[in-house]
Amino acid sequence: DAGVTQSPTHLIKTRGQQVTLRCSPKSGHDTVSWYQQALGQGPQFIFQYYEEEERQRGNFPDRFSGHQFPNYSSELNVNALLLGDSALYLCASSLPFSSYNEQFFGPGTRLTVL
Amino acid sequence: AQSVTQPDIHITVSEGASLELRCNYSYGATPYLFWYVQSPGQGLQLLLKYFSGDTLVQGIKGFEAEFKRSQSSFNLRKPSVHWSDAAEYFCAVGINAGNNRKLIWGLGTSLAVNP
Repeated sequence: DAGVTQSPTHLIKTRGQQVTLRCSPKSGHDTVSWYQQALGQGPQFIFQYYEEEERQRGNFPDRFSGHQFPNYSSELNVNALLLGDSALYLCASSLPFSSYNEQFFGPGTRLTVL
Repeated sequence: AQSVTQPDIHITVSEGASLELRCNYSYGATPYLFWYVQSPGQGLQLLLKYFSGDTLVQGIKGFEAEFKRSQSSFNLRKPSVHWSDAAEYFCAVGINAGNNRKLIWGLGTSLAVNP
């Protein structure tokens, strides 16, 4: 059983560019959450997708957007990149609105903005 | 407001010594509590979780945690630390309030293990 997978593993962009990160959830899961983890910090919740809709959003600007596809995979898009967007981006999947909220994490995508 | 506090930013222990990592939470309802571990450059791995029932929960890699409602704490313990336990440890509380369902994280505790 494949766990949560993310691509790419690493990415280098320059300020002002746009980036797309991808995530495939664990088999049987149809809810995907995205987190940003800056160096030395805990994860910060960006947003959560279920049934191809954004269900919740953290305190992130509109430059951060996402999408969920019918096969439950998800994309995170960041426009007009800033230096401060450099971080590890983590995708987590879970059962739909599980009351236990147990999330399974992928290995992350390391984004560096120069 | 919901929050998670990990008072110790960095801890160093000797291999074979016991370990306790502290976690305090602030949440008005029954909490769902988690401990995750993150090795350098890696994603997050679930160590253990508390949903209900027995307040002492066992996890992987020999870790355990005890939920103490009166102290709003969920401290992680291991009786004998191995060098491979060196990593970042995160405590999290699951928020379930209507459509608001997400994890709130502590800032983490970095564990170093001396040989």
